[in-house]
Amino acid sequence: NAGVMQNPRHLVRRRGQEARLRCSPMKGHSHVYWYRQLPEEGLKFMVYLQKENIIDESGMPKERFSAEFPKEGPSILRIQQVVRGDSAAYFCASSPVAGGIYNEQFFGPGTRLTVL
Amino acid sequence: LAKTTQPISMDSYEGQEVNITCSHNNIATNDYITWYQQFPSQGPRFIIQGYKTKVTNEVASLFIPADRKSSTLSLPRVSLSDTAVYYCLVGDQDSGNTPLVFGKGTRLSVIA
Repeated sequence: NAGVMQNPRHLVRRRGQEARLRCSPMKGHSHVYWYRQLPEEGLKFMVYLQKENIIDESGMPKERFSAEFPKEGPSILRIQQVVRGDSAAYFCASSPVAGGIYNEQFFGPGTRLTVL
Repeated sequence: LAKTTQPISMDSYEGQEVNITCSHNNIATNDYITWYQQFPSQGPRFIIQGYKTKVTNEVASLFIPADRKSSTLSLPRVSLSDTAVYYCLVGDQDSGNTPLVFGKGTRLSVIA
C-alpha cells in the first residue's frame, strides 16, 4: 500500500505566479489535511477536506489560497499570486474514514515551495 | 485544545536512553496524548499514543502519571538515526478526525 504521495517535491515560483500542489492520499483514506511548516517551526493546520467537501478551513488565509478534493483525482492546494512569505514546506496528510488509531494521520513527504 | 510545552532541544550520545517530557497542565478528560517524529525533509510520523500509565511499542515507551498533566517519551538506546524533531500533541478522542495541533517540538540530536 503506497503511502501519501505529494508532487512536486520542490517548486520554485516567481512573485505573482500561481503554485499548485498535489496530494494523493493513502488508498482507502477519504480525509485529507494540509499543513504548512516554516523553517524551525512546527506544522500549522490549513484545511481539512473529505471527498468533494471542505470540512474545516479555519487555518487557511482568506485570500489567494484555495483547496479542493474532487471525487476523482488528487487533492489540490492552490496559491494564487504567490509572495515571498508563502515560501515554506507544505505537507499533506490523510486518515481513514473510521477505525485506526485516534489522531493518527499519515503524512506525505511534503512540497517545498520557494518564491523568488 | 490543551497547550503543550516541551524542551526546544536535547543532545544525547548513541546508546543512551533519552527521555523527553511534555507538560500539558490543562489536559481534559477526553484528551489523549500522542507523539509524532519528524526527520529532516520528511513529514511527521506517528510513534506512540496513550491515555494514562504506560504504553510501550517497538519504537518507544510513553509514561503518563496519574494526574496526566505531563508525559514522558522514552527512547531506549538511541542511534544516530533517531535524530529528529519530536512533537507532543494532546487532543480529544471524541472529536474523531480532527486537525493536529503541533508546537515547535523537541529537536533531538544524537551524537556518535
